Amino acid sequence: DTEVTQTPKHLVMGMTNKKSLKCEQHMGHRAMYWYKQKAKKPPELMFVYSYEKLSINESVPSRFSPECPNSSLLNLHLHALQPEDSALYLCASSHRGGANTGELFFGEGSRLTVL
Amino acid sequence: DAKTTQPNSMESNEEEPVHLPCNHSTISGTDYIHWYRQLPSQGPEYVIHGLTSNVNNRMASLAIAEDRKSSTLILHRATLRDAAVYYCILSGSWGKLQFGAGTQVVVTP
Repeated sequence: DTEVTQTPKHLVMGMTNKKSLKCEQHMGHRAMYWYKQKAKKPPELMFVYSYEKLSINESVPSRFSPECPNSSLLNLHLHALQPEDSALYLCASSHRGGANTGELFFGEGSRLTVL
Repeated sequence: DAKTTQPNSMESNEEEPVHLPCNHSTISGTDYIHWYRQLPSQGPEYVIHGLTSNVNNRMASLAIAEDRKSSTLILHRATLRDAAVYYCILSGSWGKLQFGAGTQVVVTP
């Protein structure tokens, strides 16, 4: 199994809603990543978890709250989002964190629309 | 954080080789050089990565300059399925893989 599975594939939410994005991998990887991608732009790194601990937070607003309950699962909790947060949210995993991550495996993304 | 510079776009004929350059003049000694590609409506896909020596795999070759300030991704025989945005990325000390603008590769039959 070399897949990173993201759910849901599409999410529409209002600015007062609370929702979560989920990412799962069963490759035994110990590093997991959240990226945000706007249309026709490159992915922007948001968070990196290494061995279930948050190792990188790229100054992401607190309305995005990551969680790594175990080594296979990564969540992104969303609260009080703005319309400009509408984007494709990509999850990725790698064997390890640090400089020598090896290959990153990406999911197909969750497309979020904030009304 | 070290940055990369790539041309905005490159065009190639099918069955011809494609050489994609990447400049990373501020690379540090521990930065790995990664290449990913992204097709429309898909997540990025790993292509290749290396530290100092040239690397080959089934998808491509990576040629790294001796001073490591630049690298070149080589697709040996472009196919229509290789049309994508190709990103050159440095790993950073903590695995902070940040994407740059990338190169749009167009393959014409």
